[in-house]
Amino acid sequence: DTEVTQTPKHLVMGMTNKKSLKCEQHMGHRAMYWYKQKAKKPPELMFVYSYEKLSINESVPSRFSPECPNSSLLNLHLHALQPEDSALYLCASSQGLAGEQYFGPGTRLTVT
Amino acid sequence: KQEVTQIPAALSVPEGENLVLNCSFTDSAIYNLQWFRQDPGKGLTSLLLIQSSQREQTSGRLNASLDKSSGRSTLYIAASQPGDSATYLCAVKLGGGSNYKLTFGKGTLLTVNP
Repeated sequence: DTEVTQTPKHLVMGMTNKKSLKCEQHMGHRAMYWYKQKAKKPPELMFVYSYEKLSINESVPSRFSPECPNSSLLNLHLHALQPEDSALYLCASSQGLAGEQYFGPGTRLTVT
Repeated sequence: KQEVTQIPAALSVPEGENLVLNCSFTDSAIYNLQWFRQDPGKGLTSLLLIQSSQREQTSGRLNASLDKSSGRSTLYIAASQPGDSATYLCAVKLGGGSNYKLTFGKGTLLTVNP
C-alpha cells in the first residue's frame, strides 16, 4: 500500500476562520512533508517532519502551524489566512529523509 | 542553489509516438532524482526514482536515464497513449545533513492526441 490520504478534499474558509488539514499514511514512513502548490507552478516545500520532529521550516508564516501527533499523522493548522494562501496543499511521506516521496491527492483551499 | 529546468514546457504528439522529456540541474551533487506525473488539480504520482549511483530505471513503457556529471536526466515514453496526457515533473534531492530537500522543475505539459 503506497497510499497517502488527505482530508478534506476541498476547503473554503474566511480570513478569520481556524481550520485544519489532515494527512495520514500507513506505510511506516518516518518522514512527512507539507507542500503548497499554486496553479501552473511546481510544489513548494513548507515543512518537513522526521521521526515526529520538525526538521525543516521553509520560513513559512506563523498563520500556518504544523503538527505531527504520531508517526502516521500530519496536520496543518490554519488561522487568519489571506486570499493569496489559496492553493493546493499537498502532503507527502517517505521512508526516511532520503527516500522516494509519495504524495497524497491534496486539499484544494480557497480563502475568501 | 540548485536549479532544475525542464524542456520543453509543453509538448503535443499524436498517439503512438515515442517521446523524450528533458530535465537539467545545476548542482551535480544530487542524492537522487524522481520523475512525477500530475493530472490537473490532483496530487503527484511517483513514476521513477533514480539513485545517484544508477544510470537508468525502467517501468513499463517508461525509461528514465541519469547523467549526473552533465546534470541531465531524460524520461522516455514509448508508444504514447491519450491517457499519458498530464504534467510531468522532475525533482532532484540534494543530500547532506538533514537537508534532503526536493527541488522541482516547472514541468512539461504533455498532450497525446488520439
